[in-house]
Amino acid sequence: GAGVSQSPSNKVTEKGKDVELRCDPISGHTALYWYRQRLGQGLEFLIYFQGNSAPDKSGLPSDRFSAERTGESVSTLTIQRTQQEDSAVYLCASSLDYDSEAFFGQGTRLTVV
Amino acid sequence: GQNIDQPTEMTATEGAIVQINCTYQTSGFNGLFWYQQHAGEAPTFLSYNVLDGLEEKGRFSSFLSRSKGYSYLLLKELQMKDSASYLCAVRGNSGTYKYIFGTGTRLKVLA
Repeated sequence: GAGVSQSPSNKVTEKGKDVELRCDPISGHTALYWYRQRLGQGLEFLIYFQGNSAPDKSGLPSDRFSAERTGESVSTLTIQRTQQEDSAVYLCASSLDYDSEAFFGQGTRLTVV
Repeated sequence: GQNIDQPTEMTATEGAIVQINCTYQTSGFNGLFWYQQHAGEAPTFLSYNVLDGLEEKGRFSSFLSRSKGYSYLLLKELQMKDSASYLCAVRGNSGTYKYIFGTGTRLKVLA
């Protein structure tokens, strides 16, 4: 597609429920990133995928968070047993390769009530 | 460790020039990036430096000194639409090319 697409754009969920967030990167982009942005805060790194290499999961805050990517296409970020502190905008970005600038999607605004 | 520092807020007048500084200490370095983020929107790429010196793109310029761990973004001929957050980010190397972002600088442009 023309840009990075994320769905849903907004998600309200009850505490304790699982949620799945989706990211469609720009076609042909081998690198994919997930970030979290709490209200008024900076971007917090979560996970990075580069081609078929093992992902860098060093930013995942707990074992409730996991992410997958199928080849060089869609990625899903799953949060299990959501907590109120998980409320944030989750941003996905992709880049052509490790040496190119990253382009961001519009994000998924997650609200845990 | 990883540390990127930027001023929290800045205010400038329409038509003026503003310089937003960024200092960093990271375990690896493969480029310094500046992104613009309007409230409620996604960050958009502005500029990129990997070598020391100045990169100019229209009204925006970015400077890098790797030995000092320092960069700045220079915005000229400020317009009201430039009111946004400006994010400094360092990209890593050696197996992981993730971006580490600073907390961003909120710029307010006044008429």
